[in-house]
Amino acid sequence: DQQVKQNSPSLSVQEGRISILNCDYTNSMFDYFLWYKKYPAEGPTFLISISSIKDKNEDGRFTVFLNKSAKHLSLHIVPSQPGDSAVYFCAAKGGGTSYGKLTFGQGTILTVHP
Amino acid sequence: NAGVMQNPRHLVRRRGQEARLRCSPMKGHSHVYWYRQLPEEGLKFMVYLQKENIIDESGMPKERFSAEFPKEGPSILRIQQVVRGDSAAYFCASSPSQGAQPQHFGDGTRLSIL
Repeated sequence: DQQVKQNSPSLSVQEGRISILNCDYTNSMFDYFLWYKKYPAEGPTFLISISSIKDKNEDGRFTVFLNKSAKHLSLHIVPSQPGDSAVYFCAAKGGGTSYGKLTFGQGTILTVHP
Repeated sequence: NAGVMQNPRHLVRRRGQEARLRCSPMKGHSHVYWYRQLPEEGLKFMVYLQKENIIDESGMPKERFSAEFPKEGPSILRIQQVVRGDSAAYFCASSPSQGAQPQHFGDGTRLSIL
């Protein structure tokens, strides 16, 4: 049962353009969402997050949008840079007795071409 | 380096041997989460521990796997009688309190079973 899905295994973007990474979820109990970036042979690094009471959060070049009715969130990177090339994971945290554990999507490989 | 430290980074075991993976959380963090990443998949929650307590082990396989986080020293994920299917990257994350986000990840232990 895949509660968090990233349906695009990969995305290729030209440097300077916008990268849009998408994530869908099925569990309406999720109350907090995060995006992590991961380089090969390293652990995930936190990028940006959003609470379910908001619909947008911005941090520099990174913006996360949340559409609760569609159970969909997206990460926008503008402008994209070659150093952004990595695997991006969407993660969700449930409320209540979930104890803060995260449920991850499968990841999207982003390649930014110079 | 005040980050999450995992060791060893790489571990090779033969089928039937035991594997011990260690995790030292960030300074000031007393909550540890273990995740496993199989090839081509996202991270999957295994267990959540506080000092001397297992809080949530809903993601742990029923047999051969155990975890502890003693009062002193690192958290240990122990896999007994390893099988080929245990080959994966095991990541540890820490947080300062239950449910606090974001979780900060270590660089993982890559376990290979011969």
